[in-house]
Amino acid sequence: DGGITQSPKYLFRKEGQNVTLSCEQNLNHDAMYWYRQDPGQGLRLIYYSQIVNDFQKGDIAEGYSVSREKKESFPLTVTSAQKNPTAFYLCASSRENSNQPQHFGDGTRLSIL
Amino acid sequence: AQSVTQLDSHVSVSEGTPVLLRCNYSSSYSPSLFWYVQHPNKGLQLLLKYTSAATLVKGINGFEAEFKKSETSFHLTKPSAHMSDAAEYFCVVTGGSGGYNKLIFGAGTRLAVHP
Repeated sequence: DGGITQSPKYLFRKEGQNVTLSCEQNLNHDAMYWYRQDPGQGLRLIYYSQIVNDFQKGDIAEGYSVSREKKESFPLTVTSAQKNPTAFYLCASSRENSNQPQHFGDGTRLSIL
Repeated sequence: AQSVTQLDSHVSVSEGTPVLLRCNYSSSYSPSLFWYVQHPNKGLQLLLKYTSAATLVKGINGFEAEFKKSETSFHLTKPSAHMSDAAEYFCVVTGGSGGYNKLIFGAGTRLAVHP
């Protein structure tokens, strides 16, 4: 079955450490997205990519970085510059055309040790 | 600019009774609208979508929503709640600008279903 796989499901970060969240899709979608979800809030866009080797900042990109070397993969690095990284991170993908729904992975919960 | 407001942060119903989750949107053009459901520690699952075809949209698990342009509303309904419907629900509108498939999320409505 096609879908989006995020790993790990739970992740812990030490002070000053960078951590990378994995996102892989086999839906043949061109566009991929990373969102952050905090309790009681909707999703906020961190980064998005419409095509391989290209990505753009979303609404809350500071302290995060991404790469898009393959169509199937869109890893997110939470850097030490992100001072409040504790959140639920969701990866999504869609066809490039606007007005299309996005398909989501099951998320990674990041906590600080 | 596009925006979406979910009018209730929490809704509580008894099993077997109707569900109504309210959503108002603001858009400068004809938007696409979606409802997603999220169970605890899971990703978002698409319930239904409106993309300028029929104004009454049927989705999965017995949910449906009606697009009312005059009221700028897209309320989600289900005739009879089931315990498994307990989850968080998000109303979403397409942003439409910036050359990419931007989605704008409401803050969510948490649905509780009691026996």
